Amino acid sequence: QVHLVQSGAEVKKPGASVKVSCQPSGYTFTDYYIHWVRQAPGQGLEWMGWINPNSGDTNYAQNFQGRVTMTRDTSISTAYMELSSLRSDDTAVYYCARYGVGAKDYFDYWGQGTLVTVSS
Amino acid sequence: QAVLTQPSSLSASPGASASLTCTLRSGINVGTYRIYWYQQKPGSPPQYLLRYKSDSDKQQGSGVPSRFSGSKDASANAGVLLISGLQSEDEADYYCMIWHSSAVVFGGGTKLTVL
Repeated sequence: QVHLVQSGAEVKKPGASVKVSCQPSGYTFTDYYIHWVRQAPGQGLEWMGWINPNSGDTNYAQNFQGRVTMTRDTSISTAYMELSSLRSDDTAVYYCARYGVGAKDYFDYWGQGTLVTVSS
Repeated sequence: QAVLTQPSSLSASPGASASLTCTLRSGINVGTYRIYWYQQKPGSPPQYLLRYKSDSDKQQGSGVPSRFSGSKDASANAGVLLISGLQSEDEADYYCMIWHSSAVVFGGGTKLTVL
């Protein structure tokens, strides 16, 4: 069965960076794009971008251009999302999600979420 | 103006039907988009329900009951998630989503209360 396991909660100070990992299992890591979506407390979903684990190609949402970096390490089948210059409004749960292929073109599996708290 | 607009809340009674709308910004034609719907319960990530573009281009998520269905209201430029035979377990947040200009866009979500 497919699982996406994310790294644990983080507390960061304003201006710092955070790097969240996402380790899928149960399928071939390079066969599916990984997207990152965040959700501030009590708020809706906000898409951050995707990475193609096969090529390393990325596409970032305009709101995060210049602040987000998505990478992957195929040797350990892990995707990463790094967000820099953190502000208090970056406090959110960050999810990684697998995007299906072909007819299953939707977010079919999600990580458990990683709470990032930005506070001085 | 947001790309996708959803009412923030909706209440309905058990056994009744609920129609959740997702209105596309003026200038973005709903007819050309697949509208995806996700359900999220507190403390959990979203779960895929279905997608709808037309009656010939639609898909139900695996294990999603048939009382969840999608449609469009072209006159309102909106996608619609219809939930019939409401059950208490349907109480959740519902998000619509589209691909727009190579980016994923989510609506703000509708909190459905079943009471």
